[in-house]
Parts: sequence; C-alpha cells; structure tokens
Amino acid sequence: ETGVTQSPTHLIKTRGQQVTLRCSSQSGHNTVSWYQQALGQGPQFIFQYYREEENGRGNFPPRFSGLQFPNYSSELNVNALELDDSALYLCASSLTQGSPYEQYFGPGTRLTVT
Amino acid sequence: DAKTTQPPSMDCAEGRAANLPCNHSTISGNEYVYWYRQIHSQGPQYIIHGLKNNETNEMASLIITEDRKSSTLILPHATLRDTAVYYCIVRVDTGRRALTFGSGTRLQVQP
Repeated sequence: ETGVTQSPTHLIKTRGQQVTLRCSSQSGHNTVSWYQQALGQGPQFIFQYYREEENGRGNFPPRFSGLQFPNYSSELNVNALELDDSALYLCASSLTQGSPYEQYFGPGTRLTVT
Repeated sequence: DAKTTQPPSMDCAEGRAANLPCNHSTISGNEYVYWYRQIHSQGPQYIIHGLKNNETNEMASLIITEDRKSSTLILPHATLRDTAVYYCIVRVDTGRRALTFGSGTRLQVQP
C-alpha cells in the first residue's frame, strides 16, 4: 500500500509568481484535502475535493485553487504569491465510506516566497 | 466543530506514561474526539478517536469523561520518538471532513 506523496519537497518562489503543488492519494482513497501550516501553528484547511469536485473550502481567497484528477491525485495552485503564503502545504487523503474518516497526510511541500 | 483547549507544552520522562489533557466543554452529542500528532518535519498522523467510551489501540488510550467535556490521551510508555505536537480535534463524523487544528500540545520526552 502506497502512502500519500507530495512534490516537490521544497520550493522557492518570488512574490507575484504562481505555483503548483502536487499530491498523490493513498491507494483507494477518493477524497483529498489541502492544508496550509504556517510556522509554529496548526494546519489550516484550504479545501477538499471528492470525485473531482470541490467539496468544502476554508477561509482562503480564490487565488488558491485546486484540481482532482480521475486517479484521485490532486494539485493545489496559488496565483499572485504573497510573502504570507510561505508555509508548509499538506495534503491528506481519506475514504468517504465508513467511519472514522481518518485522514492520511503526506510529508508536505515547504514553500518559501521571497 | 467544537473548540478545544490544550496546554501548549508538556514534558515526560522516557518510559513513563504521558497524559495529555484536552478540554472540549462545548462538545455536541454527535461530535467525536480525535487525536493526531505531528512529528517534526512530517505530516500529522492519526492516533485514535472516540465518541463516549474509552478507546485503546496499539498507539495509545483515550479516556473521555462521562460528561464528555474533556478527554485525556495516554501514551503508556513514552519513547523519544513520541516527541511531537499532539492535536485534539472535535468534529462530527459526517458532512465536510476537514479537520480543524488548534495549536496543540508540544510533548517533549526526556531521556
């Protein structure tokens, strides 16, 4: 069983640029969630995708967007990067059937905006 | 989701039990208590969850008070590898499945 993987591991971008982060879900999981974790804080929910449709969104502006593909892998896109976007970006996959809905997290992508 | 309160940090001696408290006095009847932990430079990891009964698995035990307003995560024999930030999360088990993380408790296991 393959766990959740994310790429790249680290990324440095300049303010105003655009970035795409990628996530491969754990085998068999059809739901993916993205979180932003600033230094010293807990992860904050960005949005969730289920079967290629957005299924909930946190308090993040529209320049944060996402995609989920038929194989349940996912992308997080951030446009017009700001310095405050510097953070660890985590994706988590889960099943929608049954209980509990444990979420399985990847190792994250560390984004630095300069 | 109900709000949770956890101490910002705790220390524990290696080999001893680590008892991490969580207050969730506004918890609703259909909300579960979940615990996750995040070891440095890794993504959060699910530990255990419960509704009202005490739960135990290979990682930990979860004790929920009878009024469900607080709970304690117990690591029975803490090791250095248990050093991490521990998050207590309260949420319903249906609908949007996002997790709402607070600041957690930073557990430092001392040799």
